[in-house]
Amino acid sequence: EAGVTQSPTHLIKTRGQQATLRCSPISGHTSVYWYQQALGLGLQFLLWYDEGEERNRGNFPPRFSGRQFPNYSSELNVNALELEDSALYLCASSGLAGGPYEQYFGPGTRLTVT
Amino acid sequence: AQKITQTQPGMFVQEKEAVTLDCTYDTSDPSYGLFWYKQPSSGEMIFLIYQGSYDQQNATEGRYSLNFQKARKSANLVISASQLGDSAMYFCAMREGASGYSTLTFGKGTMLLVSP
Repeated sequence: EAGVTQSPTHLIKTRGQQATLRCSPISGHTSVYWYQQALGLGLQFLLWYDEGEERNRGNFPPRFSGRQFPNYSSELNVNALELEDSALYLCASSGLAGGPYEQYFGPGTRLTVT
Repeated sequence: AQKITQTQPGMFVQEKEAVTLDCTYDTSDPSYGLFWYKQPSSGEMIFLIYQGSYDQQNATEGRYSLNFQKARKSANLVISASQLGDSAMYFCAMREGASGYSTLTFGKGTMLLVSP
């Protein structure tokens, strides 16, 4: 069974640009979660999508947004990039296929803003 | 107040020894779940073990066990017979509420180094 996949692995952008990160959940999972892990910090919850709708968002400005597609894959968009947006962005999925409790994580996208 | 507290920034252990990683949590919800994840240098978060608030027995998964002390609000991870491959960051996390579908709150993590 394929795990959660994320693309790209690395992304380098300049301040003010937009970044788009993609995530494909485990087959059968309907929920996708996005987390930011900045250097020296733990994981900070960003966004949660389930069945195509945004269910919850963390304490991040509106320039962090995303969506979930009918096939349950998801996209995270970060507009007007700032230097402090440099971080590892992790996507996780959960659903009945994997049990209702665990979130399964992808390998992450490392975003560097210069 | 922090919901998940991991007080050990780093831990050192020799191969084949047991090690305990501390985690305390704070919630007023009677229904919650506690998780431990391992993050090697590659960055991927690997699920290790889960404990539900109503579970009577401590969770175990191979060499991992969770020492759940509900009254003290602690959920320590015990790794028996450490291996070199156990060197990684370890995160404790909590899900609040009865639904299995909700967000996780993570602690800041503990870096474990296993020496030969």
